[in-house]
Amino acid sequence: QLQLQESGPGLVKPSETLSLTCTVSGGSISSSGSYWGWIRQPPGRGLEWIASIHYSGRTYYNPSLKSRVSISLDTSKNQFSLKLSSVTDADTAVYYCARDTGNYRTDSWGQGTLVTVSS
Amino acid sequence: DIQMTQSPSSLSASVGDRVTITCRASQSISRFLHWYQQKPGKAPNLLIFDASSLQTGVPSRFSGSGSGTDFTLTISSLQPEDFATYYCQQSYSFGQGTRLEI
Repeated sequence: QLQLQESGPGLVKPSETLSLTCTVSGGSISSSGSYWGWIRQPPGRGLEWIASIHYSGRTYYNPSLKSRVSISLDTSKNQFSLKLSSVTDADTAVYYCARDTGNYRTDSWGQGTLVTVSS
Repeated sequence: DIQMTQSPSSLSASVGDRVTITCRASQSISRFLHWYQQKPGKAPNLLIFDASSLQTGVPSRFSGSGSGTDFTLTISSLQPEDFATYYCQQSYSFGQGTRLEI
């Protein structure tokens, strides 16, 4: 069974870069039919899709965040990562890593990790 | 950008009720519409993909319909475990959510 686990700092200072890693087990991130991505949810609010990447290296970004976001793969470790630069309070959220199988159909999720932006 | 609008934003219902949630796209999206259920403190769970296909393992009381701009999620007979928040999704846009309460 596919499992995803987020890791990274729970506290980031304003203007700095948020960095998170997702470790995938029970399956390979090199699977041709899978896209690996990040979705976030501010406390008490709705879901916001951030970005995804295919093992071929093709990336997809939410236009509203594109200028600050970078997503990458490490196939040797079966991991993928997110970087979000110049963070503000508005970036405080639970960040989920996830797999989608095409057309943003997201069928596997990590448990989520809360990242707080605060000085 | 395509905007997704869900209604209602919240809904009170009882066990056994039939419930319908609506999602409207600002322009036609064919059938590229997915539905998720989220319980407090948990990650979302895919219920319906491509407007009407039931995800493996999801009870058959959940169903989806629609195409173009108007979509619905129907729960035929509410169970206690169905009280949660529901989201529609098209591409990188999610609806704002519908909170289903007792």
